[in-house]
Amino acid sequence: AQTVTQSQPEMSVQEAETVTLSCTYDTSESDYYLFWYKQPPSRQMILVIRQEAYKQQNATENRFSVNFQKAAKSFSLKISDSQLGDAAMYFCAYRSGKNFGNEKLTFGTGTRLTIIP
Amino acid sequence: KAGVTQTPRYLIKTRGQQVTLSCSPISGHRSVSWYQQTPGQGLQFLFEYFSETQRNKGNFPGRFSGRQFSNSRSEMNVSTLELGDSALYLCASSLGTVNEKLFFGSGTQLSVL
Repeated sequence: AQTVTQSQPEMSVQEAETVTLSCTYDTSESDYYLFWYKQPPSRQMILVIRQEAYKQQNATENRFSVNFQKAAKSFSLKISDSQLGDAAMYFCAYRSGKNFGNEKLTFGTGTRLTIIP
Repeated sequence: KAGVTQTPRYLIKTRGQQVTLSCSPISGHRSVSWYQQTPGQGLQFLFEYFSETQRNKGNFPGRFSGRQFSNSRSEMNVSTLELGDSALYLCASSLGTVNEKLFFGSGTQLSVL
């Protein structure tokens, strides 16, 4: 079974600074997807960024980028120019690349990010 | 385009009762998944429906069941409620293929007294 580990329960960063959230995972599969989701106080899970395991290039979405190290099974999220609206719980998630019956996401325990004005 | 809609937002029940939660996916989405979120266990997958068929199931007791209608709307039912069923229940929808993004609703907060 796949597992996802987030070792930082809480992180804080000064507004406009850069912060990196860590995530490691364990799988025997070669084809899979990795995600970072953000959950603000509204409770809605919002997709921040997605990485396909077969792609060597790290995904980037505006101020959000990942450092995907497939051999090390590491998938960290970097947030640049942190803004007050970035304050939330951040969850790392894994999904198998098998094509049928695998919509299941396996989530880490989350990292609570606080932005200091 | 409307997002994923979950009703109700909040629900209070007593032990032994049953409850039904509803999820309306994004228009055109055929897959609906359900997750339970608790402080102790985190986010856990319950089940996924695609075109009215359960396609995948997590490790939850038979008291947890679901269904999907022809318009892709889904309901989740929990019978004989226990205190430990208190949780935020999240629904997610997608087009249903593996490389499609999942979009989540804001959840239903269930409290069992």
